[in-house]
Amino acid sequence: DAGITQSPRYKITETGRQVTLMCHQTWSHSYMFWYRQDLGHGLRLIYYSAAADITDKGEVPDGYVVSRSKTENFPLTLESATRSQTSVYFCASSDSGRNQRNIQYFGAGTRLSVL
Amino acid sequence: SQKIEQNSEALNIQEGKTATLTCNYTNYSPAYLQWYRQDPGRGPVFLLLIRENEKEKRKERLKVTFDTTLKQSLFHITASQPADSATYLCALDIDTGRRALTFGSGTRLQVQP
Repeated sequence: DAGITQSPRYKITETGRQVTLMCHQTWSHSYMFWYRQDLGHGLRLIYYSAAADITDKGEVPDGYVVSRSKTENFPLTLESATRSQTSVYFCASSDSGRNQRNIQYFGAGTRLSVL
Repeated sequence: SQKIEQNSEALNIQEGKTATLTCNYTNYSPAYLQWYRQDPGRGPVFLLLIRENEKEKRKERLKVTFDTTLKQSLFHITASQPADSATYLCALDIDTGRRALTFGSGTRLQVQP
């Protein structure tokens, strides 16, 4: 019962570098999400995906790219990292069934520092 | 503007007492409201969901109320224990079809033994 796993757990990078954060879920949930969590802002949605090959922007998508070629994977790429992207990033998934009603299951997070 | 407010100050209570956390929102009409628990260094974990036509929901020592007129949800933990110490997040499901939740910034609860 692996659930949802994120890697790496910690990452330090420099401004201008490309960084990819990985997210893998074993439940075959249709929906997947990327959030960032900053002090005072709570969780803010970056991108989400309703199914493989279907992605859309959330509240704060600028500077990020996502892809979803397989249902179980949803990587998040920072194309050219900036200091303002220093944050804790959470991946989540959700079942499409009506009874689940958008209950989300979160990974443990990736703490990213951009120097 | 749309806003979700949770008390940013930590709530400190004695073991055995009831903890009450508040979630207020403006300019939203959520169909559902959820509460999550987050421990340091970990992702949020789902606790309870309440629908707009439900006044109250219970699960063991947890109780949630949802007042759509006041635009407020209260989250209660009865007979609190030190192990209940964590940050609690409320999340609105405004049913836009995106299936994404809109989160408050959370309230930290500290239960003293």
